[in-house]
Amino acid sequence: EAGVAQSPRYKIIEKRQSVAFWCNPISGHATLYWYQQILGQGPKLLIQFQNNGVVDDSQLPKDRFSAERLKGVDSTLKIQPAKLEDSAVYLCASSLETGKTAKKLFFGSGTQLSVL
Amino acid sequence: KNEVEQSPQNLTAQEGEFITINCSYSVGISALHWLQQHPGGGIVSLFMLSSGKKKHGRLIATINIQEKHSSLHITASHPRDSAVYICAVKVYGGATNKLIFGTGTLLAVQP
Repeated sequence: EAGVAQSPRYKIIEKRQSVAFWCNPISGHATLYWYQQILGQGPKLLIQFQNNGVVDDSQLPKDRFSAERLKGVDSTLKIQPAKLEDSAVYLCASSLETGKTAKKLFFGSGTQLSVL
Repeated sequence: KNEVEQSPQNLTAQEGEFITINCSYSVGISALHWLQQHPGGGIVSLFMLSSGKKKHGRLIATINIQEKHSSLHITASHPRDSAVYICAVKVYGGATNKLIFGTGTLLAVQP
């Protein structure tokens, strides 16, 4: 079974530049998550999609971050403009979960972003 | 105070030792995940449990819902077990569940 695919693996940009990350979840997984993991901390949820709808974006800094999952399959996360404090690993995860019944999570390998 | 607390934060063990990592939480949950993260690697889900105990190879996970506590045990530890182990809980939140992560336990197993 193919896992969650993310790209790019690494990205280095200067502050105030824009960057986009891509995620392709496991086929058939309705729920897709984007997490931000700062070094030494646990992942923090940025946004959760169920199919192509947003179910939780309460911790997404909407002035600079945006995400979409137009066809309910793959997703992109964008930062525009980037700040130094955005340096982190951006993790995408998916699951079969469609409601309150918890399902196993599958994570991508992440995109490590360095903002200089 | 974090809703999910892990202990210890750092753990160094000798190869072959029995290892226990603890997770305590303060909210009502529908499930608890134990995750493994290798340096530079992605996160792998080890267990998802809502009651009792699960075992997979040398790994055992237990949960006590009444005490709001879970443990991850590694028997006959090996250097390849060196990683960050993260506890995450699914909490009730409106139409869907939210996942809250602990900060992780960094395990180093020395040969």
